[in-house]
Amino acid sequence: EVQLLESGGGLVQPGGSLRLSCGASGFTFNNCPMGWVRQAPGKGLEWVSSINGAGTNTYYSDSVKGRFTISRDNSRNTLFLQMNSLRADDTALYYCAKSRHSNSWYEGEWGQGTLVIVSS
Amino acid sequence: EIVLTQSPATLSLSPGERATLSCRASQSVGVSLAWYQQKPGQAPRLLIYDASNRATGIPARFSGSGSGTDFSLTISSLDPEDFAFYYCLQRKSWPPTFGGGTNVEIK
Repeated sequence: EVQLLESGGGLVQPGGSLRLSCGASGFTFNNCPMGWVRQAPGKGLEWVSSINGAGTNTYYSDSVKGRFTISRDNSRNTLFLQMNSLRADDTALYYCAKSRHSNSWYEGEWGQGTLVIVSS
Repeated sequence: EIVLTQSPATLSLSPGERATLSCRASQSVGVSLAWYQQKPGQAPRLLIYDASNRATGIPARFSGSGSGTDFSLTISSLDPEDFAFYYCLQRKSWPPTFGGGTNVEIK
């Protein structure tokens, strides 16, 4: 059974930093593209970032480019999102998502999310 | 970036009725489109990928169609558990983008 467990969310002041983690199990982690999708309170889904299985190719939305960094540790089956220069509009539930298949980028399975609140 | 427009924003139907949801893209995405279901307090669930392929474990009452810029998700007979939000996602080009969602609510 695929399991994705996010952690690292919390309350942070504007301009601060957080590092999200997503522990994965139940599949061959280093074969799978992974990513982060967020959802602001009461709003729709917004793609944030994706990374390929080897960790060599990364992609970002314009809204987070230059502030967020996605990475992975395939030896620990863990995905990360380093978030710097946080702003109020980064407040959201952040989901970790696994690709549907090693050759697909569709977000196939999702964790339950970790909440990030940016507020003074 | 490609903009996805979903309609209607809200669909009010009764159990057993047929639901048809629309997703229109600002430029062609071929068949690189997926549909997700999200219930309150839950993570999204993949229903359809590549416009018309059901994901593993998805009931046959869910079907997807379309290509290019116009896509539909049809639920042939609404089950009480189908009342939820539905989102489309294009994966034709970076950045991937979601539609604004359709809320299928009980009439």
